[in-house]
Amino acid sequence: NAGVMQNPRHLVRRRGQEARLRCSPMKGHSHVYWYRQLPEEGLKFMVYLQKENIIDESGMPKERFSAEFPKEGPSILRIQQVVRGDSAAYFCASSPSSNYEQYFGPGTRLTVT
Amino acid sequence: GENVEQHPSTLSVQEGDSAVIKCTYSDSASNYFPWYKQELGKGPQLIIDIRSNVGEKKDQRIAVTLNKTAKHFSLHITETQPEDSAVYFCAASRGSGGYQKVTFGTGTKLQVIP
Repeated sequence: NAGVMQNPRHLVRRRGQEARLRCSPMKGHSHVYWYRQLPEEGLKFMVYLQKENIIDESGMPKERFSAEFPKEGPSILRIQQVVRGDSAAYFCASSPSSNYEQYFGPGTRLTVT
Repeated sequence: GENVEQHPSTLSVQEGDSAVIKCTYSDSASNYFPWYKQELGKGPQLIIDIRSNVGEKKDQRIAVTLNKTAKHFSLHITETQPEDSAVYFCAASRGSGGYQKVTFGTGTKLQVIP
């Protein structure tokens, strides 16, 4: 039973480029959460999605960031026109329902040069 | 919104000793408190959790206590081993709009010295 999968594990982008981060939840999980972790800091909530719906995006910057979780395929976190301050580890987590434990993926480490 | 504070930020113990990490939260409506272990280069792994209707929970060498009145909860690791070395995060969560929005503490880097 595979866990939460994220790819790529490492991503390098130059300033101004776009970054696309993918998350495949655990089998049977229809709830996905994205978090950002800066070096030496805790995880900060960004967005919560269910299939085809954004439920809470209160932690996601309104500019340049977007997320989706289509009916088929992985959840995507998209960062347009990246800046150096976007360099961080981005984790997604999934759960089988809204009121249940969240299981984390291994993360995508984004470096903006 | 919820605010979770975690102490200490770093902790060194001798192998076999106990380690205690403490957290406080601000939102009295929080009702679920998970603890995560994060090893270098990996994602957080849920190690134990406690819900607000329980004061203490134990799983082998790990235990968590919750004091709802004081709004603090703690992680206790007994008989520490080198493989316990990692960063530990506490978190607090409450049902909000039908789901558990989780707020994390800032983490404790635990080093177990052989």
